[in-house]
Amino acid sequence: DGGITQSPKYLFRKEGQNVTLSCEQNLNHGALYWYRQDPGQGLRLIYYSQIVNDFQKGDIAEGYSVSREKKESFPLTVTSAQKNPTAFYLCASSPAYAAGDREQFFGPGTRLTVL
Amino acid sequence: DQQVKQNSPSLSVQEGRISILNCDYTNSMFDYFLWYKKYPAEGPTFLISISSIKDKNEDGRFTVFLNKSAKHLSLHIVPSQPGDSAVYFCAASHTGTYKYIFGTGTRLKVLA
Repeated sequence: DGGITQSPKYLFRKEGQNVTLSCEQNLNHGALYWYRQDPGQGLRLIYYSQIVNDFQKGDIAEGYSVSREKKESFPLTVTSAQKNPTAFYLCASSPAYAAGDREQFFGPGTRLTVL
Repeated sequence: DQQVKQNSPSLSVQEGRISILNCDYTNSMFDYFLWYKKYPAEGPTFLISISSIKDKNEDGRFTVFLNKSAKHLSLHIVPSQPGDSAVYFCAASHTGTYKYIFGTGTRLKVLA
């Protein structure tokens, strides 16, 4: 089955520690995204990547970093510089752009709690 | 600047009736629109999309209507079922960008 895998489902870290969230896809999609969802809010874009070795900041990139060394993988590091890291993090993918369908597909999410 | 708005945070509908969820956008460059359904602690699930060259797209119980002049789209669910109870997000994108802009969501509750 093709899809997006995020692990772990729940993650706990102490304040001041960096933590890396994993995102793996086997849909052969070119574009990958990281979003953050807070209670009562929509999905806010952190970073996105259209191709390997290239990525762009989204609307709330401060305190986060990413890498795109492989097409299948797009890990997100939440650094100690992120002021409010506790949130639900979602990874998503979409095909390389073409006229027509441009659906974006989501992974199951990782709930990060910083203690 | 919120480019995609869902002004109703919640909606309750009786089972079997129609649910209508609304979404407004401000950027006239948007040419592709999507609706997602989301349960708590899960990733959003894609429901239906529509290109700006159309004004209606239907898939089973779900129909999306697009009114470009009003910069408004709506999702109709007929008939509504208790399993439809979830948060619904609309999203928009435009040609030349890989970015998707999401609304804040509408929580739908279908009453049995």
